[in-house]
Amino acid sequence: KQEVTQIPAALSVPEGENLVLNCSFTDSAIYNLQWFRQDPGKGLTSLLLIQSSQREQTSGRLNASLDKSSGRSTLYIAASQPGDSATYLCAARRGGNKLTFGTGTQLKVEL
Amino acid sequence: EAGVAQSPRYKIIEKRQSVAFWCNPISGHATLYWYQQILGQGPKLLIQFQNNGVVDDSQLPKDRFSAERLKGVDSTLKIQPAKLEDSAVYLCASSLGYQETQYFGPGTRLLVL
Repeated sequence: KQEVTQIPAALSVPEGENLVLNCSFTDSAIYNLQWFRQDPGKGLTSLLLIQSSQREQTSGRLNASLDKSSGRSTLYIAASQPGDSATYLCAARRGGNKLTFGTGTQLKVEL
Repeated sequence: EAGVAQSPRYKIIEKRQSVAFWCNPISGHATLYWYQQILGQGPKLLIQFQNNGVVDDSQLPKDRFSAERLKGVDSTLKIQPAKLEDSAVYLCASSLGYQETQYFGPGTRLLVL
């Protein structure tokens, strides 16, 4: 059974700081790994999706890496802004499009 | 393009009452998912439909939860009777096909007293 863990559970940083969010998964037989953002009272917004054959994906100030052999993914946010404050969730996908989510990292970027 | 729509957005009921949630997926999306997200946890898949057939309902508490997707479009999720531990956000998602990216709705926040 796939288990996904995210560390830290919560993080508070000053504006402008670069930060890394961590995601680990127990079963390396994944199809892809996806990072989502969740704002209070809203649904999930997909940020980045890394296929199992890829090592990283980039979108603007976001960079996600994947190391299947060690069961780890990281989300790097450069030059953080208050608007980045949200909960970040990673999800590992096996065949059949079943997503197994982590518990999330709650990020607060302060002025 | 309109996103996934869900209603109601909030619902407060007493334990042992029944409740129903509605989801309208993105037009043309064949696959529909219902997730339960308990406070402080990640979403957990309850049921997955491919058109109007069930693909995966292994984590659906079938003694109290039921879901249907008539005509392969809209879907309803019902809880009867509700328990305190059912308090959660219920998220609906849809995807174009079986292995395509999932798009999530805003969720329905349920509080069972």
